[in-house]
Amino acid sequence: DQQVKQNSPSLSVQEGRISILNCDYTNSMFDYFLWYKKYPAEGPTFLISISSIKDKNEDGRFTVFLNKSAKHLSLHIVPSQPGDSAVYFCAARVFGNEKLTFGTGTRLTIIP
Amino acid sequence: DTAVSQTPKYLVTQMGNDKSIKCEQNLGHDTMYWYKQDSKKFLKIMFSYNNKELIINETVPNRFSPKSPDKAHLNLHINSLELGDSAVYFCASSQDSHSYEQYFGPGTRLTVT
Repeated sequence: DQQVKQNSPSLSVQEGRISILNCDYTNSMFDYFLWYKKYPAEGPTFLISISSIKDKNEDGRFTVFLNKSAKHLSLHIVPSQPGDSAVYFCAARVFGNEKLTFGTGTRLTIIP
Repeated sequence: DTAVSQTPKYLVTQMGNDKSIKCEQNLGHDTMYWYKQDSKKFLKIMFSYNNKELIINETVPNRFSPKSPDKAHLNLHINSLELGDSAVYFCASSQDSHSYEQYFGPGTRLTVT
């Protein structure tokens, strides 16, 4: 039962343009969402998060949007830079539960 | 000064063998985790320890046994390795069990032949 889905396995974006990565979830009990970035041969690193009481959180070039009614969140990166090329994982958590549920990731490639 | 470290980085072994993966964190965190990333790239939690106490134990075969000698270390021992155990295993830690942000190690790629 895949509760967190990233339906695009890969995405290519021109340098300087906006990258939009999408994530859908099915469990309405999720109340906190995170994005992780992963380079090859490294572990995932935390990028940005959002609580279910918000619909937007911004940190520099990274913005996460949450649409609870659609059970959808997205990560916007603008402007995209070559160093952003990585696999991005969406993750979610139920309040009071220590477990993070991850999506399968989207490989983002920034084209110079 | 690596925050979460794992050894070994690569492990190739034959079916039926027993192997261990070690994890150490120097962040002073209370909670540590083991994740498995399979061939379909699913990153799934296996175990979590908080201050050396097991708090998450997902549906994992009994052949997998975590051990936490202290809160800075969480090792994973696997008995009677099977082909399906081939995966990348990630260790992670968080400030405590209520913290949302987890810090991951670089992973151990286990290949069972």
